[in-house]
Amino acid sequence: QKEVEQNSGPLSVPEGAIASLNCTYSDRGSQSFFWYRQYSGKSPELIMSIYSNGDKEDGRFTAQLNKASQYVSLLIRDSQPSDSATYLCAVADSGGYQKVTFGTGTKLQVIP
Amino acid sequence: NAGVTQTPKFQVLKTGQSMTLQCAQDMNHNSMYWYRQDPGMGLRLIYYSASEGTTDKGEVPNGYNVSRLNKREFSLRLESAAPSQTSVYFCASSETGERGYTFGSGTRLTVV
Repeated sequence: QKEVEQNSGPLSVPEGAIASLNCTYSDRGSQSFFWYRQYSGKSPELIMSIYSNGDKEDGRFTAQLNKASQYVSLLIRDSQPSDSATYLCAVADSGGYQKVTFGTGTKLQVIP
Repeated sequence: NAGVTQTPKFQVLKTGQSMTLQCAQDMNHNSMYWYRQDPGMGLRLIYYSASEGTTDKGEVPNGYNVSRLNKREFSLRLESAAPSQTSVYFCASSETGERGYTFGSGTRLTVV
């Protein structure tokens, strides 16, 4: 059973701070990694994808990937109250069947 | 700009009743997926369809059936609903799994 592990939180950060969300995965052959944001009562929304080791930046969001350590992270700079949501880490299976395994999510609370 | 459309949004069933959840996408995506989301369990894959004409079981297929009616539509059927199937159901689509999913708005199903 392929696993994706996240700390459930809640992670509380003050407005304007950097929020750091972490994820580990078990499938060493995985090549595609995603971060989704899910507001309470809403559906997940893709915010970042990363495929190569290193950092990928998009606005206030930076995804970091370390395949050797099987570790993915998401940094949110200048956190805003509107960033308060659950963040889901997702990893595409290496078997080529286009399936994705999701973590259970980390709840982020940005305190004004 | 519809994306992925799910119907219904809410449903209450009695144990043993049957129903079909409908999903349609207008993005010309090849792959479609059905997930359920339960508190503390994250998103779990029920069934997926990598392309029109094919369907495969995911992590939790028992008690469900699916039909990929055409490239746009992918339905999920509960033949004899059980209280354990109380959940939020999400349909998703993707050009390929490696490029991330677009989710529908979800169906909140309660089985009493």
